[in-house]
Amino acid sequence: QLQLQESGPGLVKPSETLSLTCTVSGGSISSSSYYWGWIRQPPGEGLEWIGSIFYSGSAYYNPSLKSRVTISIDTSKNQFSLKLSSVTAADAAVYYCARESGLGSYYVYWGQGTLVTVSS
Amino acid sequence: EIVLTQSPGTLSLSPGERATLSCRASQSVSSSYLAWYQHKPGQAPRLLIYGASSRATGIPDRFSGSGSGTDFTLTISRLEPDDFAVYYCQQYTSSPWTFGQGTKVEIK
Repeated sequence: QLQLQESGPGLVKPSETLSLTCTVSGGSISSSSYYWGWIRQPPGEGLEWIGSIFYSGSAYYNPSLKSRVTISIDTSKNQFSLKLSSVTAADAAVYYCARESGLGSYYVYWGQGTLVTVSS
Repeated sequence: EIVLTQSPGTLSLSPGERATLSCRASQSVSSSYLAWYQHKPGQAPRLLIYGASSRATGIPDRFSGSGSGTDFTLTISRLEPDDFAVYYCQQYTSSPWTFGQGTKVEIK
C-alpha cells in the first residue's frame, strides 16, 4: 500500500521560505507515470492545489502561487519537496502531499498533512 | 480558472437519511472530469468518486455521483454514522485544478 508522509518545520517566520518534504513508501516514485502534488488547506477554508511534479522533474503550478513556488523531486530518496518563498500569514495551512491517479489529475493517495504556522 | 460552488454549506441530517450535495462549475467540466472527496478532521481527504460517477476502490455503493457539464451531484443514499464529514468536489478538466469550498454533513 502506497504511503506518503509530509515532514518539515511547523513554524516559519514571515518573509522566509517554507520547505516541506514528502517521503513515499510502498512504491517507487519513479516506477510509473504519475504526477505527485501538493495541496493545502488554510484554517477554516477549503482545499487549494499548489502544484504537481512528474517523476522526470517536469512541474506545473497554480498561477496564483507560481512566482513563489518550487516543487522538486529526488528519485534516489523517493521524495519530492515543496518550497514556498516570502511567506505571509495567508500561507498558514495544513499542507498535504498526494499522488495523482494516472488517469486524471485527481488524488488517490494522500499524506496525513502537516500544519505550518507563519509567525515571528 | 474554473470556480466550483458547493451547496448547501451545511446539511443537517439523521443517520439513515439521504444526503444530496451539489457542485456547480463556472464553466463546463469537459469529459466529466470531476471528483468528490470525504474529509474528516485530522485525516487525509479520501477519494470517493472520479469521472463524475465512478466509485473509487473500496467505496460503498451508498455513495453515488452524477451530473455533467456544470452541474454535479453526490448522493449518499442512507447516511451511516461514519459518513458525517466535509465533502469537497474537485475539477481536473482545466489547470489550475480547483476544489469547491465544501459541504459539511452534520448529525441533526
